[in-house]
Amino acid sequence: DSGVTQTPKHLITATGQRVTLRCSPRSGDLSVYWYQQSLDQGLQFLIQYYNGEERAKGNILERFSAQQFPDLHSELNLSSLELGDSALYFCASSLRTSANTGELFFGEGSRLTVL
Amino acid sequence: AQSVTQLGSHVSVSEGALVLLRCNYSSSVPPYLFWYVQYPNQGLQLLLKYTSAATLVKGINGFEAEFKKSETSFHLTKPSAHMSDAAEYFCAVSDPGGGNKLTFGTGTQLKVEL
Repeated sequence: DSGVTQTPKHLITATGQRVTLRCSPRSGDLSVYWYQQSLDQGLQFLIQYYNGEERAKGNILERFSAQQFPDLHSELNLSSLELGDSALYFCASSLRTSANTGELFFGEGSRLTVL
Repeated sequence: AQSVTQLGSHVSVSEGALVLLRCNYSSSVPPYLFWYVQYPNQGLQLLLKYTSAATLVKGINGFEAEFKKSETSFHLTKPSAHMSDAAEYFCAVSDPGGGNKLTFGTGTQLKVEL
């Protein structure tokens, strides 16, 4: 158990809809990362938050947005969903005192299926 | 920008045989390199990491990797495969000044046969 909690574990929705994925980082971790894993694209970095502030942005579509709340949990919002958005979305968090060790702790992911 | 290339999307070995999973990196600065493992229906778990200390890095479950700057490689090895090693393995690179953002390779699925 990594200590990172993601909900929901599975989600099935229709094209055009909007969903919210939630992540609770490990206790004490200030950084949260979102990754998308799909068969054709592999593991793609989407976005990182550190203590409520956006820190880095990757291949995140404009239809997607994220935020990190004062209690450090994070939400990834996906809107106007398309079939190609079907993927496993991972949240990860990193050590509070780590400047850059690269050790990320991953949740078990939220599997999104868009029909 | 940093990147990693994993050669071989699928590797199959016999139980007890040597495991060798290949990773080459591309980086304009000395990189931090990592191997993560993903078991079915689970998140990724750190196996080992290289952060410019010893070039031979030992990780969990008997795995190790050697950083070779001349070859820009960071291959993962295990002397004797076990059935429980069957999983997907990801090599990743982090820019030392990049705030922990990892760039992953495409992954190698390891199959261990009796």
